[in-house]
Amino acid sequence: NAGVTQTPKFRILKIGQSMTLQCTQDMNHNYMYWYRQDPGMGLKLIYYSVGAGITDKGEVPNGYNVSRSTTEDFPLRLELAAPSQTSVYFCASTPRLNTEAFFGQGTRLTVV
Amino acid sequence: QQQVKQSPQSLIVQKGGIPIINCAYENTAFDYFPWYQQFPGKGPALLIAIRPDVSEKKEGRFTISFNKSAKQFSLHIMDSQPGDSATYFCAASSPQTGGGADGLTFGKGTHLIIQP
Repeated sequence: NAGVTQTPKFRILKIGQSMTLQCTQDMNHNYMYWYRQDPGMGLKLIYYSVGAGITDKGEVPNGYNVSRSTTEDFPLRLELAAPSQTSVYFCASTPRLNTEAFFGQGTRLTVV
Repeated sequence: QQQVKQSPQSLIVQKGGIPIINCAYENTAFDYFPWYQQFPGKGPALLIAIRPDVSEKKEGRFTISFNKSAKQFSLHIMDSQPGDSATYFCAASSPQTGGGADGLTFGKGTHLIIQP
């Protein structure tokens, strides 16, 4: 099984550009999450979804949007990229609340 | 604000030693406490997890000690090896849904180096 797959692995954006980070999982998990990881800061929750068609904000949602049209896919959209969005982004999924989260390999994004 | 405080930030141990990483939490609704291991360029991977109905859990060389009254938990790595060199994150979550309560609250991480 592939688990959680993220694309792209690396990306450089210019200030003001937009992009979509892709995340797909093949484990039929209902719960999906987007985190960002900054050096020395751990991982912070951006958005999450409890199932297709249902999304909600996490701790740091500003500047991002998500959608969940299928169980498998949970893309993260960056509009008007800013240097503060330079980070490593991780997508994760869980079969239910309060259990093991499976993470993708991450997308390293640099905004210049 | 939900917080999980992790220490130390970095740790260097000789091979065979027992590194100990500590975490403290505030939210008494937390009832799932995992530890994640992350190698450079990779995503975090679950190492071991505990729930508050037990005070200790062992899996191979990894042990979690949990103190519910102190709201603290720690990771011990027995007979540490250079291959254990990685960043370790503690985390916590609660069964509450909505309002941003879903997902894991992470500590800031510990960069562990095991010297040969």
